[in-house]
Amino acid sequence: EVQLVESGGDLVQPGGSLRLSCAASGFTFSSYWMNWVRQAPGKGLVWVSRISSDETTLSYADSVRGRFTISRDNAKNTVYLQMNSLRGEDTAVYFCVRESTASYFFDNWGQGTLVTVSS
Amino acid sequence: DIQMTQSPSSLSASVGDSVTITCQASHDINNYLNWYQHKPGEAPKLLIYDASILKAGVPSRFSGSGSGTDFSFTISSLQPEDFATYYCLQYDSLMFTFGQGTKLEIK
Repeated sequence: EVQLVESGGDLVQPGGSLRLSCAASGFTFSSYWMNWVRQAPGKGLVWVSRISSDETTLSYADSVRGRFTISRDNAKNTVYLQMNSLRGEDTAVYFCVRESTASYFFDNWGQGTLVTVSS
Repeated sequence: DIQMTQSPSSLSASVGDSVTITCQASHDINNYLNWYQHKPGEAPKLLIYDASILKAGVPSRFSGSGSGTDFSFTISSLQPEDFATYYCLQYDSLMFTFGQGTKLEIK
């Protein structure tokens, strides 16, 4: 069974940093592209970032480019999201999401971890 | 970057009704358009991928169509469990973009 378990969400002050982790199991992690998606309170889903299976291709939404960094450790079956210069509008539940190998869609989601940016 | 326009933002319907949601892309996205159902406290569920392919196990009352820039999603004969928020998701140029979401409520 595919499992994606996020951790690292917390309350952080504006301008602060946080690193999210997503531990994957139940599939060959090194074969899959991974993504982060977020949902602010009462708002819709927003794609945040994407990383290729071999970490050579990284993509970011305009709203986080230059502040967030996605990475992965295939030996540890874990994907990370380093978030710097956090703003109030980054407050959201962050989901770790697996991308299908069949086409361009998300086929498995974690349950999410809450990041709150507030003083 | 591509822009996605999903409409309507909310919809009120009754059990047994048929409803349609649309998504329009700012340029051709080669049919890389998916539809998700999202209920509070749950992970979003994939219903349709590549514009019109029904994911295995998803009831046939869900359908998708369209190509290029204009796409639609239909639920025929609404069931009580279908009341949720629906999102389109597109892929283009190494990035994904969600539509704004459509909240489907019981009339």
